[in-house]
Amino acid sequence: LAKTTQPISMDSYEGQEVNITCSHNNIATNDYITWYQQFPSQGPRFIIQGYKTKVKNEVASLFIPADRKSSTLSLPRVSLSDTAVYYCLARNRDDKIIFGKGTRLHILP
Amino acid sequence: DGGITQSPKYLFRKEGQNVTLSCEQNLNHDAMYWYRQDPGQGLRLIYYSQIVNDFQKGDIAEGYSVSREKKESFPLTVTSAQKNPTAFYLCATRGTSGSKPYEQYFGPGTRLTVT
Repeated sequence: LAKTTQPISMDSYEGQEVNITCSHNNIATNDYITWYQQFPSQGPRFIIQGYKTKVKNEVASLFIPADRKSSTLSLPRVSLSDTAVYYCLARNRDDKIIFGKGTRLHILP
Repeated sequence: DGGITQSPKYLFRKEGQNVTLSCEQNLNHDAMYWYRQDPGQGLRLIYYSQIVNDFQKGDIAEGYSVSREKKESFPLTVTSAQKNPTAFYLCATRGTSGSKPYEQYFGPGTRLTVT
């Protein structure tokens, strides 16, 4: 199970683009990168998943370089409601699903 | 949320009592999970089940027990042996078909307070 490392916390301002980087030096060939968002007193919610290069959906973009040792979650033009904890996971289909402490993102007005 | 029901949302118990947390899903997912979350911390895996009548211990199974008699239900019992049971408990499900690690869906959680 690949271990991931991400910043404990980040601050940004409304309207800015936020990039959260996750390191996964020991990622395995069949591991995918998955990001979740969690608001206080709620369960995490799936944001985006990718294997390599770039993935984009209506909420975020995910950039994964060719060596796949890191990935970057990009949130365009954040608002106060994006204040949450963001978890990065590197796992394959059969892994136990383990969440680290995540990145606590605080959006300021 | 999204087809996963956890009840109740808040639960209060006296020390020494066993308590069972409910988790029901209508997503037809094979895999179900129980996590515990303490303030300011990430989620820690208690138990998980990939199929009916089978389950495996997670990282912090001591003091907990589960059953998986039906696909839709995965109740968690917090026993008196669990030394620090006060926490936020989250149930999750996941489909298991295909080759990708499909996303997990989480319930709204149960906040258990033991005094």
